[in-house]
Amino acid sequence: DIQMTQSPSSLSASVGDRVTITCQASQDITNYLNWYQQKPGKPPKLLIYDASNLETGVPSRFSGSGSGTDFTFTISSLQPEDIATYYCQQYEDLPTFGHGTKVDVK
Amino acid sequence: QLQLVQSGAEVKKPGASVKVSCKASGYTFKNYGMTWVRQAPGQGLEWMGWISGYSGSTRYAQKFQGRLTLTTDTSTGTAYMELRSLRSDDTAVYYCARDYSVGWPNWFDPWGQGSLVIVSS
Repeated sequence: DIQMTQSPSSLSASVGDRVTITCQASQDITNYLNWYQQKPGKPPKLLIYDASNLETGVPSRFSGSGSGTDFTFTISSLQPEDIATYYCQQYEDLPTFGHGTKVDVK
Repeated sequence: QLQLVQSGAEVKKPGASVKVSCKASGYTFKNYGMTWVRQAPGQGLEWMGWISGYSGSTRYAQKFQGRLTLTTDTSTGTAYMELRSLRSDDTAVYYCARDYSVGWPNWFDPWGQGSLVIVSS
C-alpha cells in the first residue's frame, strides 16, 4: 500500500489567514492526488482532483499543487465556513487516504 | 438532481453479515464507478473497494479481501456493499461515492449520506 503522511494533524488559524496542509506519499504518485473537505456529521466533499484541478463550484481560495511525492493544499484566506477536516487521497495504486488535518478558527 | 441515497442504520451481532445499498440518481450509472469508504467513530477515512458501473469489475483493499463483496444492479442504478464475519471494530459509518472512472478508482464525488453499522453483542 502507498502510505500518505499528512501534516499537521490539526491547526488553528484566524479568519483571513493563509492555511497550508502538506501530504507526502511513500512513493511517486505523479499527480494522482485528490483533496476532500469533511464537516462534522457530513460526508466528505471533493475539492481538488489530480493535485491542482479545482472541482466545479469550489471557491477559488482553495488550491493544490505538487507532483511526485510532495503535495500542498492551500486556503488563501480562511473563512469561518472552512472549519472542517481535510484529507488527501492517492490513486496511483489502490486508493489510500491521509489521516486528516482538522482546521479550526482561533 | 445528482444524488446517492443509502439504506438506513443497522445493528448486527459479531459474526453476522451486513448489506448496505446505495441508490444513484441524476446521472448515467454505467458511465461511472462506485467506491465504498468507511469511517470508524472519531477516525479518518478508509477506502474499502470499488466497482465499475460499466463492467462490474471490482477492486478491494487487501484488508477486506475475502470478507467484502461489491455488486450493482444496473437496471435500478443501485450499488450494494456486503461485509461478512463482522467484528466490533467494523462499527463505522459506511459511505458510497460516485467514482469518476469505470476502469480504476480515481476521485469520488458526490457521496451518499452514510449508513451507520453498529456491531455489538
